[in-house]
Amino acid sequence: KAGVTQTPRYLIKTRGQQVTLSCSPISGHRSVSWYQQTPGQGLQFLFEYFSETQRNKGNFPGRFSGRQFSNSRSEMNVSTLELGDSALYLCASSLKGQGQTNTGELFFGEGSRLTVL
Amino acid sequence: AQKITQTQPGMFVQEKEAVTLDCTYDTSDPSYGLFWYKQPSSGEMIFLIYQGSYDQQNATEGRYSLNFQKARKSANLVISASQLGDSAMYFCAMREGRGAGKSTFGDGTTLTVKP
Repeated sequence: KAGVTQTPRYLIKTRGQQVTLSCSPISGHRSVSWYQQTPGQGLQFLFEYFSETQRNKGNFPGRFSGRQFSNSRSEMNVSTLELGDSALYLCASSLKGQGQTNTGELFFGEGSRLTVL
Repeated sequence: AQKITQTQPGMFVQEKEAVTLDCTYDTSDPSYGLFWYKQPSSGEMIFLIYQGSYDQQNATEGRYSLNFQKARKSANLVISASQLGDSAMYFCAMREGRGAGKSTFGDGTTLTVKP
């Protein structure tokens, strides 16, 4: 069974540009969530999607947005990049919400490492 | 608001010995889930173990066990018979409620296993 796939793995952008990151969840998982990981702030929740609907949103500015498609694949977009957006962006999928017995652990991709110059 | 505290930034353990990684949490929701994840230097987070707030027994998964003390709001991870491959960052996380929700992570503990 294929795991969570994130693309691209590495990217370098300059301030002011925008970036789109992609995430393909494990087959059958309809919940996809995004996290930002930085040395200073740790792991911060960005947003969660389930069946194309955003169910939760973290405390990030409106420059951060996301969406989920009917095949559960998700994208997140960051516009007007700032130096502080440099981070590892992790996508995770989960079975939570699709049954009574699953515990809802997160299955993470390898992340997209964004560097903003 | 939910909060996870991991007070040990770094820990060392001798190979084959047991080690305990501390985690305390704070929540007002009676229904929550507690998780431990491992993040090797490669970056990918790996799920290790889960404990539900209503579970009566401590969770175990192979060499991993979770020492759940609900009244103290602690969920310590115990790794028995440490191996060199256990060297990694370990994160404690909590998810509130019955829905999928969001997970709150602690700052992590870097574990180094010495040969």
